Amino acid sequence: ETGVTQSPTHLIKTRGQQVTLRCSSQSGHNTVSWYQQALGQGPQFIFQYYREEENGRGNFPPRFSGLQFPNYSSELNVNALELDDSALYLCASSLLLQETQYFGPGTRLLVL
Amino acid sequence: QKEVEQNSGPLSVPEGAIASLNCTYSDRVSQSFFWYRQYSGKSPELIMSIYSNGDKEDGRFTAQLNKASQYVSLLIRDSQPSDSATYLCAVKENTGTASKLTFGTGTRLQVTL
Repeated sequence: ETGVTQSPTHLIKTRGQQVTLRCSSQSGHNTVSWYQQALGQGPQFIFQYYREEENGRGNFPPRFSGLQFPNYSSELNVNALELDDSALYLCASSLLLQETQYFGPGTRLLVL
Repeated sequence: QKEVEQNSGPLSVPEGAIASLNCTYSDRVSQSFFWYRQYSGKSPELIMSIYSNGDKEDGRFTAQLNKASQYVSLLIRDSQPSDSATYLCAVKENTGTASKLTFGTGTRLQVTL
């Protein structure tokens, strides 16, 4: 157990809908990173939040957006869902200057 | 595009044998390397981190790093059926103030009885 929690665990949406995924970081960790893991692939970096601001972003379109709150918890929002957005969405928390990222259990999203 | 490459497997080893998992990376300036274990349907779990050339041992696990060859490996001694999982190699990249991990596609390990 890493102390990182995510909700919901599973979600089914239809194409075109919007979804919000939530993450609570490990105690004392002020940085949250989000990753998308498609079936059979390694996780891909979506973006990172530090002190409530986006701190870096991977190759994902603007319909992927996020927030970080003063308690360091975070949300990932995806608008205009596409079938290819079906994946395991992982949240990882860390201290900014610390090397290690610890993953939460993930949210499995299915887009029909 | 910085890349991390792994053989997807499956790598099949008998119980009690040594499993050897390999990873190569393209970014010469990378300094931090990680091995995560992922069971089917679960999230990645950190096994080892390594930052300096050479070997780092933790229990049955040994990580090996060769920066000149851009190569990192994970050895699992006395393999157990519970070690059957996908092993993800990750390389940390600093982009400005951001710290992101670039993963390989993972190697599936099967430990047979």
